[in-house]
Amino acid sequence: GQQLNQSPQSMFIQEGEDVSMNCTSSSIFNTWLWYKQEPGEGPVLLIALYKAGELTSNGRLTAQFGITRKDSFLNISASIPSDVGIYFCAVSYGNKLVFGAGTILRVKS
Amino acid sequence: DGGITQSPKYLFRKEGQNVTLSCEQNLNHDAMYWYRQDPGQGLRLIYYSQIVNDFQKGDIAEGYSVSREKKESFPLTVTSAQKNPTAFYLCASSQTNYEQYFGPGTRLTVT
Repeated sequence: GQQLNQSPQSMFIQEGEDVSMNCTSSSIFNTWLWYKQEPGEGPVLLIALYKAGELTSNGRLTAQFGITRKDSFLNISASIPSDVGIYFCAVSYGNKLVFGAGTILRVKS
Repeated sequence: DGGITQSPKYLFRKEGQNVTLSCEQNLNHDAMYWYRQDPGQGLRLIYYSQIVNDFQKGDIAEGYSVSREKKESFPLTVTSAQKNPTAFYLCASSQTNYEQYFGPGTRLTVT
């Protein structure tokens, strides 16, 4: 099946630092999504990207749809303690979504 | 409030018993999905349904069954044939093939 490679696997950063994570694939996809999951809860959609090269912001979050359509990046500026969680990328594949394994973010206050 | 509800939040069963997890949505979405999440892993698709009275197997359907008799409801049964049923189960719905919205999840423990 289709596979997405997310990196880094985990991050432990200082409050106030900027965060960058990415997701790559060997195949081309036309829709990239970023979700955040807090412990014991369901994932929440953060940003959806539909156009190659698109850069979209949602508050302190910024995501980009790579120009090759094989990757996407998520940046979080000035991290705060409530940013902790697992961040998943996902791509649309037919009638389904395929998810990456996630990046675990921990923030030291 | 529009949203997706899953109940119960925690469920405990003895090995060999079937158990049904509830998922209801009032978003008027056509499509609904069931995922399984194991510790430290991503989401794996169990079953999905694009319309009422129709559903398709996902990547890990063995040992599970579903029904879609109503647009709002998509219950998942974990049967005794599922070899490792202990996991966190997530239900989602979507009006497009892209943006899926998730419920709060049910944590199933089978001993």
